[in-house]
Parts: sequence; C-alpha cells; structure tokens
Amino acid sequence: GDSVTQMEGPVTLSEEAFLTINCTYTATGYPSLFWYVQYPGEGLQLLLKATKADDKGSNKGFEATYRKETTSFHLEKGSVQVSDSAVYFCALLHSGNTGKLIFGQGTTLQVKP
Amino acid sequence: DAGVTQSPTHLIKTRGQQVTLRCSPKSGHDTVSWYQQALGQGPQFIFQYYEEEERQRGNFPDRFSGHQFPNYSSELNVNALLLGDSALYLCASSLSGRLRDGYTFGSGTRLTVV
Repeated sequence: GDSVTQMEGPVTLSEEAFLTINCTYTATGYPSLFWYVQYPGEGLQLLLKATKADDKGSNKGFEATYRKETTSFHLEKGSVQVSDSAVYFCALLHSGNTGKLIFGQGTTLQVKP
Repeated sequence: DAGVTQSPTHLIKTRGQQVTLRCSPKSGHDTVSWYQQALGQGPQFIFQYYEEEERQRGNFPDRFSGHQFPNYSSELNVNALLLGDSALYLCASSLSGRLRDGYTFGSGTRLTVV
C-alpha cells in the first residue's frame, strides 16, 4: 500500500543554518504531495504542496520539489529561524482522489539561537 | 474567517466509557475527515464524511463511528474506550472536488483514557 517515510529526528540546527528534511514515498499512480507543520499544542498547518512531477511547492522560505524518478519530496530552507522549531510531516494524497491523506511519522526540528 | 473548530480541547474519560467529539469545518468546505494522532506519531486516517455519508474509512474498529450534519459539521463517537484510544483527534475539512488543494486542520481534541 501507499506509504511515506521521513528522516528520523530530532534535527537540531543553529539559527540561519540550511535545512533539509528528507521524505520519500511509495504509491501507485500520481499522488499529490504535501508538507504540514505542527507547532507545540496545535493542529497541523499546510506548509506547501505539489500536485505533479517536477512541481515545486514553496511558502515562507520553505521549498520542496516533486521528484517522481526518485519518489522524493524533500523539504528545504536556506536559513532557519528559532520560530521554525516544530514537527514537520510529509504526506501524500493518492491520485485516485480517495481523500485519504497518508502521513509520515514526522520530523522534529529544533533551532537554537 | 474561522478555520476548523473542534470541541472540547481536552477530555478525560474512563476505560469503557463513550465519548463524542465535535467539529465545525472551515466556511465553504463540505467534506470532513477525522484523524487519530498518537504521541510522537503521524496522524492516522479514521474516516471521511461527505453529503452526510461516510465516504471512506481507515483501519479502525466499529467502535469508531461518525456523523455529518446538514450544515457540514461532524461528530466522532468512540464506544467502549480503551487505554490505547488516548490520542489527539484531529478534524480536517476540505472542498469536495478540490482535495488536492490540501486540507485545513483544527487544533484537535486531546483525549486521555484512564
């Protein structure tokens, strides 16, 4: 079945460092891919999305490119801030539009001043 | 514009009891999904409601049931609570036909079963 695998955390970075969080997926067809962020004590917020191969999603300085050849959707940011500290989830929505989001296990990011 | 509203925010129940969680979707959305998020894990899909019917269901037992009302709001019911049901329950809304735009999530209901 469909699945999403994220790099294990926690990831600890200094402010202004470069961020990469790896995400790979297994799915038939052409799923849509998402990154969600969860701040402490809150629900999930959509960070960015991509709906087809080679699409690049971007928001708030974060970027991710839908790579079908490597079945990946890695999250990157050039310069992280303390306020980026949160848990990041990669997710896919199957191309059959079943409506079911499949999430990875989440990666905790901690940014130190 | 209010997003997704869930109530209550926190709840403590005893094993064997029943619980009802409530969700109001974002204005303009007609589809509601429920997810269970155990501590340190990613959310797991429970079911999705559209036009007052369960459209899809995840791998959860029949103890988990739901309902959607004509105003698109929804309830999640869990019977015969187990300790393992302790989790954050998230409601997500979307517009049918625009699911690829992504879902809007509420802040969740933290359920503790003792």
